[in-house]
Order: sequence, then C-alpha cells, then structure tokens
Amino acid sequence: GAGVSQTPSNKVTEKGKYVELRCDPISGHTALYWYRQSLGQGPEFLIYFQGTGAADDSGLPNDRFFAVRPEGSVSTLKIQRTERGDSAVYLCASSSHLAGTSTDTQYFGPGTRLTVL
Amino acid sequence: SQQGEEDPQALSIQEGENATMNCSYKTSINNLQWYRQNSGRGLVHLILIRSNEREKHSGRLRVTLDTSKKSSSLLITASRAADTASYFCATGPSLVNYGGSQGNLIFGKGTKLSVKP
Repeated sequence: GAGVSQTPSNKVTEKGKYVELRCDPISGHTALYWYRQSLGQGPEFLIYFQGTGAADDSGLPNDRFFAVRPEGSVSTLKIQRTERGDSAVYLCASSSHLAGTSTDTQYFGPGTRLTVL
Repeated sequence: SQQGEEDPQALSIQEGENATMNCSYKTSINNLQWYRQNSGRGLVHLILIRSNEREKHSGRLRVTLDTSKKSSSLLITASRAADTASYFCATGPSLVNYGGSQGNLIFGKGTKLSVKP
C-alpha cells in the first residue's frame, strides 16, 4: 500500500507570507505526527493527533503555527507570517497503534522542505 | 528539545566492515527505535526495541538496549556503500511518566555514516 505522502515537496516563500503543508497518512492510521528538522539536527516534535483531535501540541514553537486534521485522515500544518527561522524540512509520520504503546512504530513521509527568503 | 545523543557524530568505514553507533538518552522510555535518513529527507524505520528487551536482530542489523545505562547501540554488519546515510535513535516516552497522552518520538542528532566502496 501507499506510504505517507506530503505535498509540496519543496516550498519557497517570502518572509511574512502564509503557507500550508499537507500530509496524507497511511490509510487507517489513527495517529499522525508533525516534526520539524533543521540542518544537521534530528527531527523535533511539533504536534500529534489521535483521530481528529490534537492530543499534544506542546511542540509548536509559537502561535503562528497551527495544524488541523478535520476528518481524522489528511492533516494540514499552517504557518502564518513566516520568518526566515522557519526554514526547515517538515516531516509527517503516522502510526496504527495507540500512541505511546510499546509497538508504536511511526512511518515517515518524504518531508516538505520550506525555505523562507 | 532533544533527549538522545548519538555517538560518534560521524563515522567513515570501508565496505565490508562493521559499523557501530551508540545512543544515550535521559528519561525512562517505553521503546527505542532506530531510523535511517538519506539526503536529509524522509526517515526509514529500521528496528524497534521495547524497554523490556535487551537485544534484537533484523537482517544485518543488531540493536542492544541497556535501560540501566540508558543507552542503545546499532551494529550494521558487512556494511555496503548503500548503507551510507544518517542514522537516528528515537525514544518513545514511558506511559508511566506521561500518563499515556504523549506518543511523540524524541530524536538524537544522528550519526552520519559513510561507507567507502
């Protein structure tokens, strides 16, 4: 079956603009995660959904970042008033088991590389 | 914030040699996972080891976990040029510590492995 997909694969925008990044999880996966990875670093957690609700958004850096998952499948990460420091690869992952259980393998998409000029 | 630290940060070996990467973490965990990443894009899940397991094998991969030392190691035997990538350990938090509500992975900074043909 298809894996996690993310669109666009690359996004270049200007400082101050609004961007939306989309994630299509593996069909049937109830848990969905967003991570951000800066150059030379490991991915850092942003937000996680269990079904339609954001179970944990403690990783969102500030209120310019927001994510939704209205029907419990596709998710959109929204960034308002982008800043140069937002430039990074944004990764989405999904998993089928109850998050936090010992078999919670997360499957990652290819990421969206966001560049803010 | 990142909890894990991989060691070494970079490793260069010849094809056919074994590669060992280590990971240390700080808090109690539910499981530990190793991922591979090529060219700074999507992460590929390699292996998951639960907190009550000590060793696990998958093909040419061998993972050990020592929860008393809060450390894990990944061994790749008979390395190939195609194994060249960055390798990350990621920990899943303990249900006891986080009340079952937090399922995000906490990644280290990764080890950059280069296998020369």
